[in-house]
This record gives sequence, structure tokens and C-alpha cells, in this order.
Amino acid sequence: EIVMTQSPATLSVSLGERATLSCRASQSLSNNYLAWYQQKPGQAPRLLIYYASTRATGTPARFSGSGSGTEFTLAISSLQSEDFAVYYCHQYTTWPYTFGQGTKLEIK
Amino acid sequence: QVQLVQSGAEVKKPGASVKVSCKASGYTFTRYYMHWVRQAPGQGLEWMGIINPNSGSTSYAQKFQGRVTMTRDTSTSTVYMELSSLRSEDTAVYYCGRTYSNYDQLDYWGQGTLVTVSS
Repeated sequence: EIVMTQSPATLSVSLGERATLSCRASQSLSNNYLAWYQQKPGQAPRLLIYYASTRATGTPARFSGSGSGTEFTLAISSLQSEDFAVYYCHQYTTWPYTFGQGTKLEIK
Repeated sequence: QVQLVQSGAEVKKPGASVKVSCKASGYTFTRYYMHWVRQAPGQGLEWMGIINPNSGSTSYAQKFQGRVTMTRDTSTSTVYMELSSLRSEDTAVYYCGRTYSNYDQLDYWGQGTLVTVSS
């Protein structure tokens, strides 16, 4: 099983600032099969990024994904109030699918 | 528009079984795989398994082997997830989510079904 490790667990950032979230896989993800999801309280996760860097339909351009192999990053430029949520990375290279433990993005 | 609508919350006693449904609409049901993912209170996401709605074939995470059964009804575009021998640790929100292939991102999710296991 591929273990996904996200850091930090909690990130405090001011409105309008940039946030950078990290995700590390315990083994290389072929084809960069890595997705990012946003989850708000009481809601289902929402797909933001797939194939490590492709924005899903409806994802604002301030969200960008990068990385390859075992190291991946989600960057959010100019944070808006609606961006404060929990973010999960997810590998779909092999079964079982696995997720990181999440990064909670909170207002500073 | 694509919608995955799940059945309502359940309360079960330890040792019982629960069956959660996920009704799909807005796309061709048999062309997308369906997964089940659960989330314990305050915790992260845990993949349970996948079903191919076209063939009915399934694959389950080892942790749930022997306790989970995923089925589908193509006449109603609905997939089901049944979990047996429930214990308190199974208290969680259960989500269905679809993928285009069997190795893909989950692009649409159901709204979630809270299953509470309590004596």
C-alpha cells in the first residue's frame, strides 16, 4: 500500500496571501496519478486537481498543482475566504487507493 | 448534470449489517466505475473498494474483505454497499464516488451517508 503523507497538518495564512501544501508518496506515482480534493465541513470532498497539475472543471486558476514521482505540491495564490477548508491528496496509481491525512487551511 | 444521491442516515447495533445506496443520474451509468470511501468522525478518507457497474465485478480493500459487498442494479442506475458485522469503529460517513476508469480521480461524489454503530 502506498502511504501518502501531507504537511503541514494545519496551515494558518492571511487572506490574500499564498498557501503551499505538500504531499509525499511512499513510492513513485506512475503517470503522476495524484489528485487534490477540497473538503468543507459537512460536505463531500470536491475534486480540484488531477494528474498532479490539471485543474478540474470549475477549479479557479489561483489553484495550481505541481510535482512528480513522490513529491507533490498544491499552491493557492491570493487566498479567498472560501478557500479555508481541509485539503487531501490522493494517489490512484494502484489499489488500494490511498489518501493523505489532510491539511487544514485556516485563517490567520 | 451528474448527480450521485445516497440513502439516508442509519443507526445500527454492533453485529448488525447496513446497506447504503447510491443512485446515479446525468450520465451513462455503465460507463463509469463506482467507489466507496468512508470518513470516521474528524478523520481522513479511507477507500473501501470499487465496482464496475457494467460487469458487476468488484475489488475490495483488504481491510474490508469478507465484510463488504458491493452490488449494482443497472435498471435503476444504483450501486449498493453492504457492510456486515458492524462495530463501533465503523461509525463514519460513507461516500460513493465515480471514476472514468479503474485507475482515475474521483470526479463526482455522493453527499455522504452517516452510519452510526451504537448499542
